[in-house]
Amino acid sequence: AQSVTQLDSQVPVFEEAPVELRCNYSSSVSVYLFWYVQYPNQGLQLLLKYLSGSTLVKGINGFEAEFNKSQTSFHLRKPSVHISDTAEYFCAVSAGGSQGNLIFGKGTKLSVKP
Amino acid sequence: NAGVTQTPKFQVLKTGQSMTLQCAQDMNHEYMSWYRQDPGMGLRLIHYSVGAGITDQGEVPNGYNVSRSTTEDFPLRLLSAAPSQTSVYFCASSLQGAYGYTFGSGTRLTVV
Repeated sequence: AQSVTQLDSQVPVFEEAPVELRCNYSSSVSVYLFWYVQYPNQGLQLLLKYLSGSTLVKGINGFEAEFNKSQTSFHLRKPSVHISDTAEYFCAVSAGGSQGNLIFGKGTKLSVKP
Repeated sequence: NAGVTQTPKFQVLKTGQSMTLQCAQDMNHEYMSWYRQDPGMGLRLIHYSVGAGITDQGEVPNGYNVSRSTTEDFPLRLLSAAPSQTSVYFCASSLQGAYGYTFGSGTRLTVV
């Protein structure tokens, strides 16, 4: 079975500062990794995903994430955040195939202050 | 292209009442899932389907039923609502799990 741990429940940061949201996973099989964003009172939107290949994945809105197999991590980064990045971010893992359900972490609330 | 459509957006139920949350997708996706979102808990999988006629339980299936008679629709039924089922419910669909899931906008359910 897979599991996901998001190490920070809340991350406050000032506008234009860099940010890193941490995600660790556990799995006995190869997995696919995802980051989703949820703006207030909305559904989830896919930011980026890692399936295979290059371990640095670029997504929408200037976000990127790096897959580290040895540390079983998939941290999300942005070099300079904006007020509009204020949202909740979810890391998720999928084993693919018939077991392709997403298993989510508990989320990290990013709060960008002016 | 509407994506994943959930109805209703809001619902208040009394304890013991039953209701069906509707989910429809127009992307010809085989995989569909229902999640519930509670503060501090992330999203937890209730039931899922890998194709018409095939459903299975997720992490928190008790009190919920599903069926998948068509590729497009995946309704979630609450048989006898309880206050513990107060939550935001999301339906999601995917061509395959590796492609990631497209989420609906959610149904906010309150059971009093």
